[in-house]
Order: sequence, then structure tokens, then C-alpha cells
Amino acid sequence: QQPVQSPQAVILREGEDAVINCSSSKALYSVHWYRQKHGEAPVFLMILLKGGEQKGHDKISASFNEKKQQSSLYLTASQLSYSGTYFCGTERNSGGSNYKLTFGKGTLLTVNP
Amino acid sequence: EAGVAQSPRYKIIEKRQSVAFWCNPISGHATLYWYQQILGQGPKLLIQFQNNGVVDDSQLPKDRFSAERLKGVDSTLKIQPAKLEDSAVYLCASSLMRVGEQFFGPGTRLTVL
Repeated sequence: QQPVQSPQAVILREGEDAVINCSSSKALYSVHWYRQKHGEAPVFLMILLKGGEQKGHDKISASFNEKKQQSSLYLTASQLSYSGTYFCGTERNSGGSNYKLTFGKGTLLTVNP
Repeated sequence: EAGVAQSPRYKIIEKRQSVAFWCNPISGHATLYWYQQILGQGPKLLIQFQNNGVVDDSQLPKDRFSAERLKGVDSTLKIQPAKLEDSAVYLCASSLMRVGEQFFGPGTRLTVL
């Protein structure tokens, strides 16, 4: 089950904030967030495990609401380097001790000077 | 620490031809993944290995795609015969454990004419 991300695209000016949402209809073990710049591989940002937690580093943070199976990524005081496509990946148990990561369609973030 | 290596970086073939991609994961990473990323979409898991055993291949088109991971280290993904819709970037990723951060290689961009 592919998670649903919103918005599909967002344009910011440097210094503005943004929120990207990710929701699933299935019970989740964890939520991953990755950023991919054009022509490059996805780069890991953070992982949130079930139990409802919030994480962050620098000015990027995220939360995971286990009851609603939703996660949000918060970008504060955006920098030009934040531009890229953000993917959430939802991790579910696929049987036994196996877990499977399914990515959303992505949110294209553009930060302009 | 060396990252995930993939080759070739680019490949152009005609439909019905065969192609193979190679991946060398980060040393010590037991879990290896092959993803297909179509332009404008998130990565889609094709197959997941734990050491040299297959954990999940539910989305691998087995009539034309095959993958192996001999000796639990590097891996090859083969397409035979290729179709136009196989045009995509094929990403290899590895992780230390079955769950957690995944490290992606640079990908192989396949164009099927």
C-alpha cells in the first residue's frame, strides 16, 4: 500500500517554513524520510519508529502519529540546499521478521533566493 | 567508508535485448535491495536480500527479471527480454539490518528503445 504524500509540490523563498505530510491506511512499524536531488540517489534524513515520536536535526524535524498512521516533515527557515524531492517511506511487517519499505510519490520542494 | 557501488551508470538497449546491472553494497551490510524508479515516481522495491537469501520479491516481474546475490555480497539484476516500460533508474541500496536506514547507490539509468 503506497503512502499518500501532500502537497505534491511546494515553492518557498529562502527562510520560509514548510510541512510535508505522509499518510498510510495500514498499521506501520516505522516511517522513513529521504531527500533526492535531481539526478542523484535518495539520501536518508531520519527514521521514526512506532510509539509516536518526534525527531530532528538542524532545522529539519519530523513527527509520527501512530494512531493516525501519519507522519509530517517540518522544514524550518529553509535554505537553498533544501531543494529536492522528499519521499516518505512507510515500513510494514511483510510476514515473520521481514519488513518492507514502500515509498510515496514524493513532494517536490523548490527554495528560491 | 565507501558507499554503494553500481555499474553501469547508463545503458541504452533496444526492446527484446538483455541487460544486467551490478551492485556492490557497503561492506558488512547484510541486507541488499533493488528498486526501480520511473521518472516522477518514488522508488519501487523489486527484490530484497538478507545475506544471499531472498526476503521479498513480490513485485519482481519474474517472467523477465531475475536477481542473485552470490556469497551474500555483491548482486546482479538482469532483464531478459527488455520492454519499453522497463525504462527507469535502477537503484541498489543496502542496510546494516533488515530495518533502518538504507544507503543508496548512484543508480543505473536504463533507456529501452
